[in-house]
Amino acid sequence: QKEVEQNSGPLSVPEGAIASLNCTYSDRVSQSFFWYRQYSGKSPELIMSIYSNGDKEDGRFTAQLNKASQYVSLLIRDSQPSDSATYLCAVNMWATGTASKLTFGTGTRLQVTL
Amino acid sequence: DTEVTQTPKHLVMGMTNKKSLKCEQHMGHRAMYWYKQKAKKPPELMFVYSYEKLSINESVPSRFSPECPNSSLLNLHLHALQPEDSALYLCASSQGGTGREKLFFGSGTQLSVL
Repeated sequence: QKEVEQNSGPLSVPEGAIASLNCTYSDRVSQSFFWYRQYSGKSPELIMSIYSNGDKEDGRFTAQLNKASQYVSLLIRDSQPSDSATYLCAVNMWATGTASKLTFGTGTRLQVTL
Repeated sequence: DTEVTQTPKHLVMGMTNKKSLKCEQHMGHRAMYWYKQKAKKPPELMFVYSYEKLSINESVPSRFSPECPNSSLLNLHLHALQPEDSALYLCASSQGGTGREKLFFGSGTQLSVL
């Protein structure tokens, strides 16, 4: 079983719709969860972090975490063509330590159509 | 300022060459990371430095040699690489100290080994 799993997509949504991206992880002691956006040929850009069960909203983005189900998701409201990118789910696999050991999922490619 | 600067942006080297990748941050972060990313794959952790000490080496071949001269700088020395080492090499930094902090990535060095 992979440590962090995502559907590779592509996920196609029309402009203005809600895009829903999902991620499951295997390590029950994981404490920190992140979503990165990566445009083709560019480096990953952090867009959301979440540490506690429930929802966390930032602008058009909402991250949701359910530790019991080992599930984290990202909702993008009012999707725009500029949101078309690969979205990487990242999980900190360390329970303690002075740095983070992020393990990434394979990413979901999102296409927002006009 | 959340900038991590990597040089060079592009590098072409032969299998007998020695080269170095450089990374710099001035955010006061105490953890720095090297990741490797192949095309259409997620970033894979190579090394972690925490408070200028090597914390994690993910069984990386010895032809890759990291160095952390001070808390702001991170180098990756390359020697006798193979064509399969061609990839995007990403440097990242984080605040350090908690194991829950956010990682910020540089723009990467696109490496081609001929």
